[in-house]
Formats: sequence, structure tokens, C-alpha cells
Amino acid sequence: DIVMTQSPDSLAVSLGERATINCKSSQSVLYSSNNKNYLGWYQQKPGQPPKLLIYWASTRESGVPDRFSGSGSGTDFTLTITSLQAEDVAVYYCQQYYSTPPAFGQGTKVEIK
Amino acid sequence: QVQLQQSGPGLVKPSQTLSLTCAISGDSVSSKSVAWNWIRQSPSRGLEWLGRTYYRSKWYNDYAESVTSRITINPDTSKNQFSLQLNSVTPEDTAVYFCARCVFGRQLESFDYWGQGTLVTVSS
Repeated sequence: DIVMTQSPDSLAVSLGERATINCKSSQSVLYSSNNKNYLGWYQQKPGQPPKLLIYWASTRESGVPDRFSGSGSGTDFTLTITSLQAEDVAVYYCQQYYSTPPAFGQGTKVEIK
Repeated sequence: QVQLQQSGPGLVKPSQTLSLTCAISGDSVSSKSVAWNWIRQSPSRGLEWLGRTYYRSKWYNDYAESVTSRITINPDTSKNQFSLQLNSVTPEDTAVYFCARCVFGRQLESFDYWGQGTLVTVSS
């Protein structure tokens, strides 16, 4: 099974500043035949289900603000929130869908400094 | 717009069966391009995928190894919904349970629609 590991577990960022979350997979999630990384990012606020923000490692879901961006390939990925807003306070998860079972990282809690 | 509405009891006794249902609107449980999943979340296990059902001329199921001996996911085409049954529950099965859709063409994709979540507590 592929194991997903995020860092840090939590971070506090000032409003308007950048937040960076890292995600590492225990094996590559890049599918060579289509050159796509089978990696998604989710945002979860208290009492809500996770919300898909980014898929294929870097494609924003419809309606997601462009301050959210994803990058990386293979085993190392990053979610960046440029200019953090108050409504971005949440826990963020990466998830691989390259193989079964699909697996999530442990989550990164983003707070306002 | 796809919507998933979960229902089921929030309290189950140890050794009994946990049963939840996920009603689908805006899509079909029999769609040949998606899969219907159950995922749970607890402080100790984080987000844990439990299994899925999908239709490709016949019905298929895949289950997580950790629950494969205890789990059944069934589609109900007459009501356009799918269900989760988890047998012989223990307090370790206490979690928030989510249903979720993923696009599943040639390969699996991310979970794009989720149910609202149901907190299930296993306690006598």
C-alpha cells in the first residue's frame, strides 16, 4: 500500500502571507502512460466533509480560488496558499488515487498567526 | 449537481452491525463512469477508505484489507442509493463515516462529491 506523509502537522501563518504544505508518497504516483500524477488535495473545515481543491496534483477544481495551487511530481508534492485568508483556516489533506487502497495523508492544520 | 445524503443510526452496540445508506441525486448508482465509496474518519486512524461499489455491465466491489471480513457495500438501483454494512463492530469502529463519489473511467480519480458525514459511536 502507498503511504502518504504530510509536513508539517500544523502551521500558523499571518493573514496575507503564504502557507506551504508538503506531501510525500512512499512510491511514485506518476502514471507514465499519461504523465499524470494521481494526487489530490482536500480542505476540511470543522463539521464538514473534505472538499476537493486540486486533482492531478495541480489542476484546481471548479470554483476554487486561484490562491490555491498544487505542484510536484512523482513522490513529492506541495500545496501552496498564497495570501492566506481567514476562511482558509482548515485541515488540508493530500490523497493518492494511483492504486488501491486510495490513501490520505495525516492532515496539516492551518491557523492564523 | 451531484448530492449525497447519508442516513442511519448514530449509536451501535458492540458486536452488532453498523448500517448506513447514501442516497444519490444528480447521478446514477449504475453509472459506468464512477464508483461509490465509503470512507471513515477518526482521530486514531485519520481518513480511511473502506470500500467501493461500481457498475461495469455487472456489479463489482473492492474493500480495504482491514475490514474485508466484516464489510458489505450494496447498491440499490430502485432507490438510487448504496449502503454500508459493517459487522461485529467494536469501539474502534467509532468514527465519522462518509460516502463519496469518484470518477472511475480507465482508472480511479479523486473524490469529488461527499456526503455530509455520520458520527457513529459504538457503545453499550
